[in-house]
Formats: sequence, structure tokens, C-alpha cells
Amino acid sequence: ETGVTQSPTHLIKTRGQQVTLRCSSQSGHNTVSWYQQALGQGPQFIFQYYREEENGRGNFPPRFSGLQFPNYSSELNVNALELDDSALYLCASSEGTRADTQYFGPGTRLTVL
Amino acid sequence: QKEVEQDPGPLSVPEGAIVSLNCTYSNSAFQYFMWYRQYSRKGPELLMYTYSSGNKEDGRFTAQVDKSSKYISLFIRDSQPSDSATYLCASRAGGTSYGKLTFGQGTILTVHP
Repeated sequence: ETGVTQSPTHLIKTRGQQVTLRCSSQSGHNTVSWYQQALGQGPQFIFQYYREEENGRGNFPPRFSGLQFPNYSSELNVNALELDDSALYLCASSEGTRADTQYFGPGTRLTVL
Repeated sequence: QKEVEQDPGPLSVPEGAIVSLNCTYSNSAFQYFMWYRQYSRKGPELLMYTYSSGNKEDGRFTAQVDKSSKYISLFIRDSQPSDSATYLCASRAGGTSYGKLTFGQGTILTVHP
């Protein structure tokens, strides 16, 4: 069984640029959730994707957007990067939208200069 | 006020000690409670999952939830240096269509030999 994978591992961008982060869900999981974890903080929910549709969103501006593909993999896109977007971005997959357990990938460390 | 509050520590204990980690929450809709362990530069790993009030034991780990006081605890018996990590409590509301997890800040634990 393959776990959740994310790419790239690290990324450095400058303010105003755009970034795309990728996530492959665990085998058999059809739901992907994205979280932002600032240094020294717990993860914060960005949004969830199920059957290629956004299915719930946290308190993040529209410049945070996503996609889910037919194979359940997902992308997180962030436009007009700000310094405060520097964080670890985590993807979690689950079986269904209200699954009791979500399994996290290793994350992508984004640094915005 | 954050929906889930957690003492960030850091907490340092000798090997073999009993560790108590605690969180409080304010959202009465929370019905599902989890503990995640996060090693440095890794994604969170699910340790324990509990529904509503009660205790759950798994090896050296015991999770307790007291919904009347909105208190979540994790106990680690016979702590080992390999338990050194950040411990995150998380909660999820029941009755929602999507599985948004709300995390505490995380407690940094060091178990020294």
C-alpha cells in the first residue's frame, strides 16, 4: 500500500509569484484535504476535495485554489504569494469526506522571500 | 479564542516517565478527537482516535476525552527517547459534510535517556 506523497519537498519563491503543490493520495482514498502549518503552529484547514469538487473550505482567501483529478491526486495553487504564506503545506487523504481518520503526507516546505 | 488550545511546552522528561499531554476545546459540536505525532520535518502521524467521551488504550498510549469539561488528554507510559516529537491534538465536528480537522498548537516533547 502506497502512502500519501507530496512534491516538491522544498520550494523557494518570491513575493507576488504563483506556486503549485502536488499530492498523491493513499491507495483507495478518494478524498484529499490540504492544510497549512506555520512554524510552531498546528495545521490549519485550507480546503477538501472529493470527486473533483471542492467540498468545504477554511478561512483562506480565493488566491488559494485547488484541483482534484480522476485518479484522486490533487494540486494546491497559491497566487500572488505573500511573505506570510511561508509554511509547511500538508496534504491528507481519507476514504470519504467524513472519514474518521486522515493520513498525512510529509508536506512541502514553501519559503516566500 | 482558538477552538482548540494546547500548551506548547516544551516538555522534557526522563526515559520511563509517564507523560501527560492536554488540550481544551471550546466548540460543543466537536465529537471526534485525535492525537497526532509529528517528528521534525515530517507530516503528522495518527496515534489515537476517540469518538465522544471516554478512554481508549493502545499499548503505551491512553487517550481520554471529557466532553463535560471539554478536555482532551493523552498519556504515554514508560516513555522512550523515540517518543520525542511534537504531539498535536485535533477535533472534528459531527454532522458536517466534510472532515475539517481543527488542531491545537502542538506540544514539543523530549524524552532524554
